[in-house]
Amino acid sequence: EADIYQTPRYLVIGTGKKITLECSQTMGHDKMYWYQQDPGMELHLIHYSYGVNSTEKGDLSSESTVSRIRTEHFPLTLESARPSHTSQYLCASQGNNYGYTFGSGTRLTVV
Amino acid sequence: AQKITQTQPGMFVQEKEAVTLDCTYDTSDQSYGLFWYKQPSSGEMIFLIYQGSYDEQNATEGRYSLNFQKARKSANLVISASQLGDSAMYFCAMREGGKVDGNEKLTFGTGTRLTIIP
Repeated sequence: EADIYQTPRYLVIGTGKKITLECSQTMGHDKMYWYQQDPGMELHLIHYSYGVNSTEKGDLSSESTVSRIRTEHFPLTLESARPSHTSQYLCASQGNNYGYTFGSGTRLTVV
Repeated sequence: AQKITQTQPGMFVQEKEAVTLDCTYDTSDQSYGLFWYKQPSSGEMIFLIYQGSYDEQNATEGRYSLNFQKARKSANLVISASQLGDSAMYFCAMREGGKVDGNEKLTFGTGTRLTIIP
């Protein structure tokens, strides 16, 4: 059973559309992260949060934005999708044992 | 300097053989943790094994073991009796520092693609 959920699993969308990738966890973790990953490549941290109303940009510059209004919810938004945003987006939360629990990812294709 | 280095972009191993995936790390912290994750072609990241810097024994989880050599700063993953289902990307990661409220992001390596040959 997954304790962290990402929706949608796959998304194909046209250029210029606004999209929100959902990420929710039921473990009560304060720390949550968004990674961007091209197929077979390394993970790039794009956003993270250490609790409600706390968000920070990651190591890789991204045109996306995030919010953290509730502990369990950490959505990522692209205001205007472009083909360069085509990638997999992985959400993770971090417990007291420091390890990450990852969601199943969202594979985004912008056409 | 890279904090996590995985020097093997890809490996091919015969089924049922043991395989070692290399990982070296760089940190000046005394307290840190090392993780291995598996990523099948479906894309999800699966936690495999964890080693704390103060753990005296190498971590083991079923067919997975972590060959932790602190002086050499290496944390190689050993998979015994490989199976076709082990074919995947494998990522080594490190958490630095020991304070719960501090910066505890994981740093990931670039990954190794393991292919098990029948």
